[in-house]
Amino acid sequence: GAVVSQHPSWVICKSGTSVKIECRSLDFQATTMFWYRQFPKQSLMLMATSNEGSKATYEQGVEKDKFLINHASLTLSTLTVTSAHPEDSSFYICSARENREAGQETQYFGPGTRLLVL
Amino acid sequence: GDSVTQMEGPVTLSEEAFLTINCTYTATGYPSLFWYVQYPGEGLQLLLKATKADDKGSNKGFEATYRKETTSFHLEKGSVQVSDSAVYFCALRHQAGTALIFGKGTTLSVSS
Repeated sequence: GAVVSQHPSWVICKSGTSVKIECRSLDFQATTMFWYRQFPKQSLMLMATSNEGSKATYEQGVEKDKFLINHASLTLSTLTVTSAHPEDSSFYICSARENREAGQETQYFGPGTRLLVL
Repeated sequence: GDSVTQMEGPVTLSEEAFLTINCTYTATGYPSLFWYVQYPGEGLQLLLKATKADDKGSNKGFEATYRKETTSFHLEKGSVQVSDSAVYFCALRHQAGTALIFGKGTTLSVSS
């Protein structure tokens, strides 16, 4: 099946630094990718929808200047957590939508990136 | 707004036991319903799905039936294995191309 990778899988950084997380679709093109955030024992919460070649659409309550999303190619979307603070520590997961005929599209998830801000 | 509620875990079972993980949803219209599974250290994988009322999704011995009248999509398996130990997420999606709305996940632990 289709594979989505995320890099890095783990990152520890100091408060105030910026962290970039990459999401790649390895064997298919994805015009749409989604970024989720998961807190311990909580559900995945959608942060933003990333469309190739256009600005991301952010969910209510998600700061677009804090979480910068770039979807520059059909196989790569990046999430940059700017000026990270301890409350940004979380598990970030991306998914990529494989384009197929109507009704057959499938979303594939990356393995997630765990961010710890000290 | 739309939401998904699934039973609290963890669920602890012995091998070959019967499994039920309850999932109910709140949504307008006719969403598609999904079960995803997350094995330790791995990303979410689609387990099964149903796109309309009374559809039954099935995969790897797991089944779930889309019940419009009870707004439910309970996951069942007749005989669980140790390898089924994972976190299971129920989710819905309103239309193709949009993001999924997830429940909180239920951890299943199966012992031999």
